[in-house]
Amino acid sequence: EPEVTQTPSHQVTQMGQEVILRCVPISNHLYFYWYRQILGQKVEFLVSFYNNEISEKSEIFDDQFSVERPDGSNFTLKIRSTKLEDSAMYFCASSGQGPPLHFGNGTRLTVT
Amino acid sequence: EDQVTQSPEALRLQEGESSSLNCSYTVSGLRGLFWYRQDPGKGPEFLFTLYSAGEEKEKERLKATLTKKESFLHITAPKPEDSATYLCAVRELMNRDDKIIFGKGTRLHILP
Repeated sequence: EPEVTQTPSHQVTQMGQEVILRCVPISNHLYFYWYRQILGQKVEFLVSFYNNEISEKSEIFDDQFSVERPDGSNFTLKIRSTKLEDSAMYFCASSGQGPPLHFGNGTRLTVT
Repeated sequence: EDQVTQSPEALRLQEGESSSLNCSYTVSGLRGLFWYRQDPGKGPEFLFTLYSAGEEKEKERLKATLTKKESFLHITAPKPEDSATYLCAVRELMNRDDKIIFGKGTRLHILP
């Protein structure tokens, strides 16, 4: 069964550094998403992406965040200058014509 | 104000002891309600989509039902491998696209 894959599984970075989280969505899917989950809290929406542009974003997704689909298969989330409070699990998801969303197993980001 | 509220927060059952998890929502114009299972350190795994009141879906020991205000996930004769966090999510129409909003989840622990 096709799946969403995310790399790396764990990323440790220092405060103020830039990080790029990578995702390979399911190949024929059209909609792409990033969510995050701070330890012990709920899964929170960050951004949705369709037809090579952002379609919706949350208040969390400020100017420090950006997304890109650099080629036909990858979908990336960049955090320009990480803060301690960015530490969380970041999940990529994709869907076909619409929901349901299919999630990857996440990247655990630790900012020290 | 949370738009998706799940109860209970945690539930411990003996193997074989059936029960139900609740998800209530306040979004106007529901465009889909989703149930996911999340194991520790993993991404949400899709279980069911429900669209209209009265709809039911089943998979093995799980059955999801939907009314106009809430959804139930019924677990019949659970086994220890059913232990996980069960997440409810609803689809909300935004300005240009939909957003999937998650509840905080119910942590289910099945004792052998």
